[in-house]
Amino acid sequence: DAMVIQNPRYQVTQFGKPVTLSCSQTLNHNVMYWYQQKSSQAPKLLFHYYDKDFNNEADTPDNFQSRRPNTSFCFLDIRSPGLGDAAMYLCATSRDLAGPTDTQYFGPGTRLTVL
Amino acid sequence: AQKVTQAQTEISVVEKEDVTLDCVYETRDTTYYLFWYKQPPSGELVFLIRRNSFDEQNEISGRYSWNFQKSTSSFNFTITASQVVDSAVYFCALEGGGNKLTFGTGTQLKVEL
Repeated sequence: DAMVIQNPRYQVTQFGKPVTLSCSQTLNHNVMYWYQQKSSQAPKLLFHYYDKDFNNEADTPDNFQSRRPNTSFCFLDIRSPGLGDAAMYLCATSRDLAGPTDTQYFGPGTRLTVL
Repeated sequence: AQKVTQAQTEISVVEKEDVTLDCVYETRDTTYYLFWYKQPPSGELVFLIRRNSFDEQNEISGRYSWNFQKSTSSFNFTITASQVVDSAVYFCALEGGGNKLTFGTGTQLKVEL
């Protein structure tokens, strides 16, 4: 089945230790998104890629970076995780950015714990 | 600016009851899209429905139905004969001219035996 896969599902890191979260998709979608979702809150968009074009949200901290080496994979790098970065990180994809094919499909998420 | 309001933070029902989740939105865009997503305890956001602003027809899919009323800027979601597996957080979302999803704060639905 075509899908959005996130690894790992659970990640524990230490304060200040860099961590990378992975997302892959078999949908061949052009757009990949990263969201942060804290407990009992709505998902918050961090950034997205349209193909190789990177679009950062204005309020996304510099501590968060992303890479998209090819259509299928996208990575979220947190350079120096703080306690406030503990959250669920959701990856999503859509075929396009606008129009009837821009519905976003989400992966299962990676729950990040910072000790 | 766009805004989505889900005034119901948490709803508890007994299995087989019908339940309606409210969603009210604000936007200045004339073309926009509305969505509902389900987030079970596992965490994945599951897409349920997409509706564009020019299509006010109500939709039914099995036990799920959606009522879109532009006049009141509402896009409500009804689950008929609720089941325990319906227990989840449900998010309503709006996509306007900026092509970004604006989510509501979600409604936690608990269906008990």
